[in-house]
Amino acid sequence: QVQLHESGPGLVRPSETLSLTCTVSGGSISSDYWSWIRQPPGKGLEWIGYIYYSGSTNYNPSLRSRITISVDMSKNQISLKLSSVTAADTATYYCASGGGTSFNWFDPWGQGILVTVSS
Amino acid sequence: QSVLTQPPSASGTPGQRVTISCSGSSSNIGSNYVYWYQQLPGTAPKVLIYRNNQRPSGVPDRFSGSKSGTSASLAISGLRSDDEADYYCAAWDDSLSGLWVFGGGTKLTVL
Repeated sequence: QVQLHESGPGLVRPSETLSLTCTVSGGSISSDYWSWIRQPPGKGLEWIGYIYYSGSTNYNPSLRSRITISVDMSKNQISLKLSSVTAADTATYYCASGGGTSFNWFDPWGQGILVTVSS
Repeated sequence: QSVLTQPPSASGTPGQRVTISCSGSSSNIGSNYVYWYQQLPGTAPKVLIYRNNQRPSGVPDRFSGSKSGTSASLAISGLRSDDEADYYCAAWDDSLSGLWVFGGGTKLTVL
């Protein structure tokens, strides 16, 4: 059974770059889509973007200028970089399998990692 | 402001049937599948309904989904205390290069 685990710093300073890694276990990242979704404290879900194992990506237009999602096949990992962060980027960040098409839902999800943007 | 509109809260007593609505537009619900996610307190969301009305294995048939036009609904029958959670609808939106959109979430309280 595929499991996902997010890791990275829990605190990022304003204007810096948030960097997170999602490690996939119990399966290979090849042949699937992988998504990042975030949830500000006490608020709803926001899709960040997805990557296909081949490297093709699609990003939320509202975040596109600041996002980079990449894959490392050798480590079975997906990475997220979000630049020029502000307090509005404080959220729990989830990685999830799927989301590459309208037929392809998010399942499973990682447990999430809370990232706080503060000086 | 979420692209999909859900009521912020819903409630019911054990055994009751409750429904949660999700309203969108022609570019999302009107032309794509609807998905429902359940988020229990302190946990990650998990899929409850996929492709409008399909249940993953392990999801009780007390949960059902439907879609009509640009709206969708999640129905929960035989309400239980452990159904208390946040529920989110989601759909692909065909605008721009395409993106996933979510509802703002509905907090279900079992009285």
